[in-house]
Amino acid sequence: GQNIDQPTEMTATEGAIVQINCTYQTSGFNGLFWYQQHAGEAPTFLSYNVLDGLEEKGRFSSFLSRSKGYSYLLLKELQMKDSASYLCAVMIYNQGGKLIFGQGTELSVKP
Amino acid sequence: DTAVSQTPKYLVTQMGNDKSIKCEQNLGHDTMYWYKQDSKKFLKIMFSYNNKELIINETVPNRFSPKSPDKAHLNLHINSLELGDSAVYFCASSQTSGTSYEQYFGPGTRLTVT
Repeated sequence: GQNIDQPTEMTATEGAIVQINCTYQTSGFNGLFWYQQHAGEAPTFLSYNVLDGLEEKGRFSSFLSRSKGYSYLLLKELQMKDSASYLCAVMIYNQGGKLIFGQGTELSVKP
Repeated sequence: DTAVSQTPKYLVTQMGNDKSIKCEQNLGHDTMYWYKQDSKKFLKIMFSYNNKELIINETVPNRFSPKSPDKAHLNLHINSLELGDSAVYFCASSQTSGTSYEQYFGPGTRLTVT
């Protein structure tokens, strides 16, 4: 079966750094995505990792270890507007772009 | 210049009715998707079409029928609506040939069945 786990909720302080972990067990792997979703809005793309290692994009970085079935999203210099749900998703190989999503991590940034 | 658009944004209807949701993308992508996001915010794929051909058809009741008249449009028709169909339905698109696979999501349609 397909299984993606991430913490349900996290709280952090403005200006701090937070790491959101994601572990996965899937049949076939063609990359891992992170999406951000504000309440009442659509998910928006943050990052895509298909090879092991760290991808940095501004305040956001994403890491992948395929052998461990593990990824994390690192958010630096947290801002209030970063309060949102962060969704980890795995693309299944050779299934037409099929994404399996985790349940999302609700991040609250406090002053 | 909206990338992925859906109509309507809100849909309130009674059990047993039939309703449709429309989706259009102007990104030139070759693949479109329908997702359902339930009250626990779990996002689950329902269907995908690649160049008007059905590629993914998850375990979804037959009451749900997608239609893709061309590769820029993917509609979702739901027959005999049930209370459990209440959710937010997202349309998305992506280009599956190439190196950039991210999916772009529409604003969502919040369906409430009473």
